[in-house]
Amino acid sequence: QKEVEQNSGPLSVPEGAIASLNCTYSDRGSQSFFWYRQYSGKSPELIMSIYSNGDKEDGRFTAQLNKASQYVSLLIRDSQPSDSATYLCAVGSSGGSYIPTFGRGTSLIVHP
Amino acid sequence: DAGVIQSPRHEVTEMGQEVTLRCKPISGHDYLFWYRQTMMRGLELLIYFNNNVPIDDSGMPEDRFSAKMPNASFSTLKIQPSEPRDSAVYFCASSTQGRTDTQYFGPGTRLTVL
Repeated sequence: QKEVEQNSGPLSVPEGAIASLNCTYSDRGSQSFFWYRQYSGKSPELIMSIYSNGDKEDGRFTAQLNKASQYVSLLIRDSQPSDSATYLCAVGSSGGSYIPTFGRGTSLIVHP
Repeated sequence: DAGVIQSPRHEVTEMGQEVTLRCKPISGHDYLFWYRQTMMRGLELLIYFNNNVPIDDSGMPEDRFSAKMPNASFSTLKIQPSEPRDSAVYFCASSTQGRTDTQYFGPGTRLTVL
């Protein structure tokens, strides 16, 4: 059973701060890693993907991957109230199909 | 493109009734996924199709659930008979052949079984 673990939160940060969201996974052969954002009552929306160890930056978002430690993180710089949402970590399985397994998500609250 | 389309957006039914959820994937996408999301269990993959063929239905909770994809632009998820524990948001998602791990989600159907 492939596991993807996230702290459910909520993680509360003040506006302008850096929000750090973490995710660990059990399948050491995983090849692809994703962060989805889900606003309340809406569907998940892909915001970041990462495939290699290290950092990947896109605007205010940075995804970090450490395959040896089996964790992936998402940093949100200059957090805004509009970033308040649930962030789902998804890990693409090994074995060729790459069908992702989703974590249960971390709720982020950015307060003014 | 209009994105993934799901209908209905909301469904309220009584226990024992048949429920049919519908999905139209993004044109050109070869994979279609059905998910269920609840507070308790998070986002669960129920079944997925490749080129209209069911590939893995191991996530379907029991025989009351069935899914079909008669053509590349339409899929249904049916629950018969429905039970209160089936209450959840059901999402359909689609992706392309080469990127099954990058999925585009529909708006979801919120199902309430009384």
